[in-house]
Amino acid sequence: DAGITQSPRYKITETGRQVTLMCHQTWSHSYMFWYRQDLGHGLRLIYYSAAADITDKGEVPDGYVVSRSKTENFPLTLESATRSQTSVYFCASSEIRMADTQYFGPGTRLTVL
Amino acid sequence: QKEVEQNSGPLSVPEGAIASLNCTYSDRVSQSFFWYRQYSGKSPELIMSIYSNGDKEDGRFTAQLNKASQYVSLLIRDSQPSDSATYLCALYMEYGNKLVFGAGTILRVKS
Repeated sequence: DAGITQSPRYKITETGRQVTLMCHQTWSHSYMFWYRQDLGHGLRLIYYSAAADITDKGEVPDGYVVSRSKTENFPLTLESATRSQTSVYFCASSEIRMADTQYFGPGTRLTVL
Repeated sequence: QKEVEQNSGPLSVPEGAIASLNCTYSDRVSQSFFWYRQYSGKSPELIMSIYSNGDKEDGRFTAQLNKASQYVSLLIRDSQPSDSATYLCALYMEYGNKLVFGAGTILRVKS
């Protein structure tokens, strides 16, 4: 049972390039989330999705795009990467409600040069 | 006032002692509270959730919730070096429909 997986685990890119981070869950959870974690800021919500084709902004959505055509996948795209987007990105899911326990993927460490 | 506040630590305790981690919050109507553990370089993993005032025990871990005073704490009994990690407090805020995380407390258990 894989649970929730993320790919790639590590990514180095250059300023201005488009980058897509993948997230896949096998639980059929309704909610999926993208967070970034930076020293001094903790975990901050970028976007979330309540179901397929339903997405909404979190605390720090600027510069990011998401989609959710299938329940199990929730990709995050940086349309034109900036150095300030260097971070560790975590995908998470919860079963039915936003208030349910969130389970996290292993994370993607992204470096923008 | 921050929505969720934790002492960043590090909190150092000797092996076998009780570690006490605290979290205060500003939203009076929050109903769902969570403690996550995060090892260095790893993702957060749930330790406990608590929804009602009082204590909830799970093995060596006890979560304590006091809604009137707006704090939630985590006690770790018989602390082990393997408990050394960052502990994140989180709560669900109905206003804004969001889960808010504290910045975390670093715990170091010395053998």
